[in-house]
Amino acid sequence: GAVVSQHPSWVICKSGTSVKIECRSLDFQATTMFWYRQFPKQSLMLMATSNEGSKATYEQGVEKDKFLINHASLTLSTLTVTSAHPEDSSFYICSAKSGASGALHFGNGTRLTVT
Amino acid sequence: ELKVEQNPLFLSMQEGKNYTIYCNYSTTSDRLYWYRQDPGKSLESLFVLLSNGAVKQEGRLMASLDTKARLSTLHITAAVHDLSATYFCAVERTPPLVFGKGTRLSVIA
Repeated sequence: GAVVSQHPSWVICKSGTSVKIECRSLDFQATTMFWYRQFPKQSLMLMATSNEGSKATYEQGVEKDKFLINHASLTLSTLTVTSAHPEDSSFYICSAKSGASGALHFGNGTRLTVT
Repeated sequence: ELKVEQNPLFLSMQEGKNYTIYCNYSTTSDRLYWYRQDPGKSLESLFVLLSNGAVKQEGRLMASLDTKARLSTLHITAAVHDLSATYFCAVERTPPLVFGKGTRLSVIA
């Protein structure tokens, strides 16, 4: 079946540093990828939608200068949390939509802890 | 704006019992999904419901969709401990998914 690889699975960083999270579709081309954030015991909240080769569309309240999204190819999207702060600590999950089938596949998530 | 409401948010049930989780949504949509999430893990796809009257079953779980009522249900039959998890419904809003708040299910002996 279709696999979405998300890396790293977990990361700890210091306040003020930047962290990059990668999301790769391993055996299909993803025309669209989505980035979600999930705080403990809460639901998933959509942060942004990215389409290959174009700028990401951010949801209201999500700072585009803080959460940089790049979708450089049909198999890779990256989320960079810039100048991270403890309140950015969360579980980040990407999902990729297959251009062929339209099916949506989720990565395994990245747990970010900012100290 | 599409809103997705799930209830109950918390459910503690005894092994062997049956129960239903409800998912209401506010506007028409193409697809409705059910996911399972274990603590610290990502989402596991359970069902995709595409049309009115759709019913899908997998093991002790059965999902149905009534697009006219904008309602989906996830029915649990003869619960077992392994079903303890958080269950989310999600509705497709061309194109991203909008998630309900989730139902935290705990199955106790």
